[in-house]
Amino acid sequence: ETGVTQTPRHLVMGMTNKKSLKCEQHLGHNAMYWYKQSAKKPLELMFVYNFKEQTENNSVPSRFSPECPNSSHLFLHLHTLQPEDSALYLCASSLQSSSYNEQFFGPGTRLTVL
Amino acid sequence: AQTVTQSQPEMSVQEAETVTLSCTYDTSESNYYLFWYKQPPSRQMILVIRQEAYKQQNATENRFSVNFQKAAKSFSLKISDSQLGDTAMYFCAFMEETSGSRLTFGEGTQLTVNP
Repeated sequence: ETGVTQTPRHLVMGMTNKKSLKCEQHLGHNAMYWYKQSAKKPLELMFVYNFKEQTENNSVPSRFSPECPNSSHLFLHLHTLQPEDSALYLCASSLQSSSYNEQFFGPGTRLTVL
Repeated sequence: AQTVTQSQPEMSVQEAETVTLSCTYDTSESNYYLFWYKQPPSRQMILVIRQEAYKQQNATENRFSVNFQKAAKSFSLKISDSQLGDTAMYFCAFMEETSGSRLTFGEGTQLTVNP
């Protein structure tokens, strides 16, 4: 595998379910990001991790819980989501987040909340 | 707060022709970076071109070039000799030099290249 991978690519869940999205980067980067992409809206930055430490939480509801066990893996744990949370969730990585570095994106997970 | 505006939700162009996508932004910062990202139907977002605000020369990458007008806060993307593979959503994005790697995106322009 190369670049940034995300699993699953598609996920359908009910509002009472608990699920997790996974992101893995094979680029030797130290910063990882979660974005939400909704139709007709700009990408919204959700969380930033730099060297496994969360450096940014962009006022994301607590029903989204990120986890970064190491610099290569990033998870987004989901519980009691709402239908308006349906979107494409993109993961990205960069060398680090404390200075300018190009971000590389994964293919995304298409989430549908019923 | 920084904002990025793409006023063209959809555009189309004939194969081999040239198309220009527009982007404007708002910031009080003097040092920043501007980007165009491409998101094909497979959804993997890739960087097309980057411009540093302190550089007066417009960036070019093969068939892709930008028209950066700092005073007007305008950053348009020109695609020459359009190809079918250029069909994608294009996002303009902004990053302050002091914000680390925090990107602010526009709403995107869906470009369709017709045969």
